[in-house]
Order: sequence, then structure tokens, then C-alpha cells
Amino acid sequence: EAGVAQSPRYKIIEKRQSVAFWCNPISGHATLYWYQQILGQGPKLLIQFQNNGVVDDSQLPKDRFSAERLKGVDSTLKIQPAKLEDSAVYLCASSLRGGEQFFGPGTRLTVL
Amino acid sequence: EDQVTQSPEALRLQEGESSSLNCSYTVSGLRGLFWYRQDPGKGPEFLFTLYSAGEEKEKERLKATLTKKESFLHITAPKPEDSATYLCAVRPPSAGGTSYGKLTFGQGTILTVHP
Repeated sequence: EAGVAQSPRYKIIEKRQSVAFWCNPISGHATLYWYQQILGQGPKLLIQFQNNGVVDDSQLPKDRFSAERLKGVDSTLKIQPAKLEDSAVYLCASSLRGGEQFFGPGTRLTVL
Repeated sequence: EDQVTQSPEALRLQEGESSSLNCSYTVSGLRGLFWYRQDPGKGPEFLFTLYSAGEEKEKERLKATLTKKESFLHITAPKPEDSATYLCAVRPPSAGGTSYGKLTFGQGTILTVHP
């Protein structure tokens, strides 16, 4: 069974630039999550989708972050404009109806 | 607000030296406590889910236990390949009574096992 796919794996940008991350969940998983993991900390949930709909985005900085999940499969997370403090690993995870979550390899973002 | 605290922050063991990692939590109406393993440069890998006090689960050299306030991850006779960061997370009840409650993670324990 293929796992959660993410791209790119690494991204370096300058502050105030824009960046987008892509995630393809495990086939059949209705629930998709985006997490931010700052070095030395545990992952923090940014947004949770159930199929196409947003279940929880209470910790998403909506002035600069946006996410969508068209057709209930792939998802993209965008940051515009980026700040230095956005440097982190962005993890995508998926699950069957909110059960155990399976994570992708993450995208390491460095903002200079 | 849900809180998860893991201790110690880092643990160094000799191969074969058994020990335990601690995860203390504060959440109303726990709907699951999760343990994950994370290797450098990779996403967390699911290990266990515990739902009620007194529950135990085992996988190879790992055994997870749960009380009403904390969980322990016991490592018996560890090997160098067990070196990783171990993350604990809790899931509270979600609005509407569904099982979609978000996970709150601790900061992790970095385990290093020397040969």
C-alpha cells in the first residue's frame, strides 16, 4: 500500500515570497491533516479536512496561510507571504474517518 | 486547553539497558492516546493507540501503558536501531461527538541507544 506522498521535500525561499506544498493521501482516506513541526517541537495541527470540507482550522494563520482539498483527494497548503518564523517541516497525514493518522515524509521549509 | 508533557527530553541508553519514557497529559474525556516514532528527516510513524486506563499494548521491544494522567513507553533491551524521537499525542472529544478530534502532541523524547 502506497503511503502519503508530499512534494517538494525541501524548499528555500526569501521572506515575503510565496510557497506551496502538495500532498496525496493514502487511497481511500477521507480525513487529511496538515501539521507544522518546528525544530525540537511536536507537530502542531494547522488544518483538518474531512473529504472536501474543513473540520478544524483554528490554528491556521489565515492572514498568510491557505489550504484546499479539491475533489476530496489531493491537497495544497500555501503560504503568502512567508515570514522567518514559518521555517519548519510541514507534514501531511491522512486517516480513515479520523482514526490512526499516517504521515508523509514532510517538506522542510527554510525562509531566509 | 489540552496539554501533553513528555519526559525526559533526551535519554541515552546502552544497548540492552531497559528504561521508560513518560507522557503526562491533561485532557477532558480522552478519546485516545497515541505513540509515534520519528526518525530524522522522516514523518512520524504510528506505534500504538491506547483508549482506557489500564490498557497495555506491545510491539517487539516496546510496551505502552496508560493511566488516567499519564502513559509510559517501556523499552526492553533496546538496540541501536531503536534510536529515534518518540512522540506522544492525545485526542479529546470533538465537537458534535464525532471521532475527528485533533491530536495534540508533546515535544517528544529523543532516545539514543549506544552499542
